[in-house]
Amino acid sequence: IAGITQAPTSQILAAGRRMTLRCTQDMRHNAMYWYRQDLGLGLRLIHYSNTAGTTGKGEVPDGYSVSRANTDDFPLTLASAVPSQTSVYFCASSDGREQFFGPGTRLTVL
Amino acid sequence: QKEVEQNSGPLSVPEGAIASLNCTYSDRVSQSFFWYRQYSGKSPELIMSIYSNGDKEDGRFTAQLNKASQYVSLLIRDSQPSDSATYLCAVKDNYGQNFVFGPGTRLSVLP
Repeated sequence: IAGITQAPTSQILAAGRRMTLRCTQDMRHNAMYWYRQDLGLGLRLIHYSNTAGTTGKGEVPDGYSVSRANTDDFPLTLASAVPSQTSVYFCASSDGREQFFGPGTRLTVL
Repeated sequence: QKEVEQNSGPLSVPEGAIASLNCTYSDRVSQSFFWYRQYSGKSPELIMSIYSNGDKEDGRFTAQLNKASQYVSLLIRDSQPSDSATYLCAVKDNYGQNFVFGPGTRLSVLP
């Protein structure tokens, strides 16, 4: 059982390029989340999905979009990357009580 | 605006001592409380969940919850250098699915 997987592990991206961060969970959790973590700013919620087919905006949604076509997958897309999106991105899922995190994607936008 | 506050640290304790990590939260409807450990360069790992007032023990870890004071703490007994990490406090209410995280406290256990 893998839990939550994220891909890629790390990526260097030119500003203006489009990028999709992938997240897959095999725990059949209904809720999934995307966070970014920056030094001094802690974990900030970007988008979330309470169940397949629904999504919502978190604290810092601008410049990001998500989709939730099925229970397992929750991709995060940067339509046109900017240097301020340089960060570590964590996907998480929840069974309604506890939340578990994936290993993260380190993204650098130049 | 729901807020969760923690001392950023670093908190330094000698090996074998008790480390005490504290967290306060602003939203009185919060019902679920969590402690995560995050090693440098790694993702947060859930180490304790607590839902009722009082203490909950798991090995060397004890979580303490006081809803009246809106306070939750984590005690680490017999601290080891391997406990050196950032500890994140998180809270959740029963109405939504979202978790609110504190900024984390960096713990350093000195050999």
